[in-house]
Amino acid sequence: EAQVTQNPRYLITVTGKKLTVTCSQNMNHEYMSWYRQDPGLGLRQIYYSMNVEVTDKGDVPEGYKVSRKEKRNFPLILESPSPNQTSLYFCASSLQGGKLFFGSGTQLSVL
Amino acid sequence: GEDVEQSLFLSVREGDSSVINCTYTDSSSTYLYWYKQEPGAGLQLLTYIFSNMDMKQDQRLTVLLNKKDKHLSLRIADTQTGDSAIYFCAEWGGNDYKLSFGAGTTVTVRA
Repeated sequence: EAQVTQNPRYLITVTGKKLTVTCSQNMNHEYMSWYRQDPGLGLRQIYYSMNVEVTDKGDVPEGYKVSRKEKRNFPLILESPSPNQTSLYFCASSLQGGKLFFGSGTQLSVL
Repeated sequence: GEDVEQSLFLSVREGDSSVINCTYTDSSSTYLYWYKQEPGAGLQLLTYIFSNMDMKQDQRLTVLLNKKDKHLSLRIADTQTGDSAIYFCAEWGGNDYKLSFGAGTTVTVRA
C-alpha cells in the first residue's frame, strides 16, 4: 500500500530535550516536505527536499533541522524544542508538484 | 509567502449543496488544489485544477476558477454527513516548490 509513515503519532517532551520525528515514504517520490498545523493558521511549510541531499527552507524553518540521506526518509529534528513548537506536524511526499500524499501526523507537546 | 484566504466555518444541511470559497494572491500559480482533512487524520487530495481552466467537475465536486479575480471555489453537491471535515485550499507556485495553504474551512453537515 502506498503511504507516508510518520512516527511517533504522539509525543510529549520537555523544553531543550532533542527529538526526532521520522518520516518514510514507499512511493519513490523525489519531493518531500514537512508542515506544521496550528489552529487558524492552516499548514505552514517548515522544510522541503527536492531529492537526496537537497533540502531547503520553507516559511517557518527556525528551530528545526532536516536531512535527506536516502530517498525514502526525511526526518525532522528539533535540537532544543521550545513550547512554541507545540503543534501538529505532517510529513508529505509528491511525485508531481502539489499532489501531496500526507502522513497521519505527529502531535507534539513541549512542556 | 503567498496568501491564501478562506472563510473558517460553514454549516450546511444534509442533502443541500456546499460552496467553499478561497482567494489567493500569487498570479504565477500553476495549479490550485482542494484537500480534505477528517478528524485525527492527515490531509487527502480531493481535486485540483490547472490555472488555464475555468471549471472542473468530478462526480459530486465542482471546482470553479476565476483567474482574473484570483478566486477559487469548491461546490459539493448533495452534501452528506461524511463530508463533515476541514477543507483546505492550496496553490502551487511555479517557482518556489511549495504548496501554500489557506487556514481551512470547517464544514459541519447537520441532519
